[in-house]
Amino acid sequence: GAVVSQHPSRVICKSGTSVKIECRSLDFQATTMFWYRQFPKQSLMLMATSNEGSKATYEQGVEKDKFLINHASLTLSTLTVTSAHPEDSSFYICSARDPGQGALSGGYTFGSGTRLTVV
Amino acid sequence: DAKTTQPPSMDCAEGRAANLPCNHSTISGNEYVYWYRQIHSQGPQYIIHGLKNNETNEMASLIITEDRKSSTLILPHATLRDTAVYYCIVRVRMGNTPLVFGKGTRLSVIA
Repeated sequence: GAVVSQHPSRVICKSGTSVKIECRSLDFQATTMFWYRQFPKQSLMLMATSNEGSKATYEQGVEKDKFLINHASLTLSTLTVTSAHPEDSSFYICSARDPGQGALSGGYTFGSGTRLTVV
Repeated sequence: DAKTTQPPSMDCAEGRAANLPCNHSTISGNEYVYWYRQIHSQGPQYIIHGLKNNETNEMASLIITEDRKSSTLILPHATLRDTAVYYCIVRVRMGNTPLVFGKGTRLSVIA
C-alpha cells in the first residue's frame, strides 16, 4: 500500500533555531499533502495544505512566515519551523492524498510523525 | 463534512469485542463514514470505511444503521495493541480536502 515517510521522528533544538521536517511519498505521487500539529492529549489540528508547485494554504491562526512549507516535487513536502520557541514543541504529522489507494487506505496516508522539542 | 459525536473513552477486556459508537445524524447521502486510529506517538492509521452497507476487513467490522445516522466500529477480539484513539470521520469520498479530526474515543484494552 501507499507509504509516507516522515523524518526525523524526533528532534530537539535550541530556541531561536530552525528545524526542517521532511515528508516523502514513497510509491505514489502526491500532488497534495497536509500538515497537522498535535499537542499532548489533543486531537490533530490541520495547519496547512501543500500543493505541488504552488504556495501552501494555511489555516486561520497559523503563521505562514513561521511555518514554511515547500512542495517542490510530487514526492516531497517539507515543513520548516523557523525561529522555534518552546511553545512550538509539538507532534507534527504529514498526510498525503492518494486517490488510487481509496479502497485500501481511505485515500489518505499518514507519516509516522515528528516529535519536536524546543529547549 | 457532517459532524460526528463519539464517547471520550472506553475500556475493553483483552480478547473481547470492542464496540465503538459514532453518531453522525446530519450525514448527507454522498458522505462516507471513515474510521482511523492513532496509537500513541504515531500517525493515524486507516481502519475501514463504508457508505451504507456493513463492511468487514481484516482489522474490523463497520456496522451502519439503516438511517445512516450512526455507526459502530467493531474490533472482534481486542488485543493490548489495539489501545489507541479511534476517530470517526464523515466526508465525501472524492475530493482533495484534508481529513478533519474530532476528539475521538480513547480505547483502553485491559489485560
